[in-house]
Amino acid sequence: GAVVSQHPSWVICKSGTSVKIECRSLDFQATTMFWYRQFPKQSLMLMATSNEGSKATYEQGVEKDKFLINHASLTLSTLTVTSAHPEDSSFYICSARVGRQGQTGELFFGEGSRLTVL
Amino acid sequence: GQNIDQPTEMTATEGAIVQINCTYQTSGFNGLFWYQQHAGEAPTFLSYNVLDGLEEKGRFSSFLSRSKGYSYLLLKELQMKDSASYLCAPLGGGDKLIFGTGTRLQVFP
Repeated sequence: GAVVSQHPSWVICKSGTSVKIECRSLDFQATTMFWYRQFPKQSLMLMATSNEGSKATYEQGVEKDKFLINHASLTLSTLTVTSAHPEDSSFYICSARVGRQGQTGELFFGEGSRLTVL
Repeated sequence: GQNIDQPTEMTATEGAIVQINCTYQTSGFNGLFWYQQHAGEAPTFLSYNVLDGLEEKGRFSSFLSRSKGYSYLLLKELQMKDSASYLCAPLGGGDKLIFGTGTRLQVFP
């Protein structure tokens, strides 16, 4: 089946630094990828939709200047948490759907990246 | 608006059958997914329903009623490894998959 790879799996950083998380579709092209955040014992919250070759679409309440998303190719989207603070510590998960936007297809998830900001 | 409601926690015994219910309200509807998530891991796909009725896949079955905004996931012959969170996720307008809070299922021997 389709595979989505996410890197790094774990990252610990100091407050004020920036962290980049990569999401790759390994055996299919994904024009659209999704970034979710999950706090302990809570649901996955959609942060933004990453669109290849264009600007990401952010959900209400998500700061676009803090969570920079770049979808430069059909197989790679990156999320950069800028000036990270302890409250940004969370489980970040990317996902991609096989097929074009508007077509229904299974959503595949990356392994997730656990960010801890000290 | 969008709203998804499923029980927070459930318990069951190994070998038993459990049904996890989900009611939803979304802006637009393009089907409903069920995912399994073990603690500390990413969700894995279980099922997808777009038409009314029951979809069976091995020990897991999923049911959908679009008119009632209702779905359930049925797990048969429960195993200890089935202890996990089960996420109901309707696919709304704009191609967005919205997740409920999930139901934490604990299977006891």
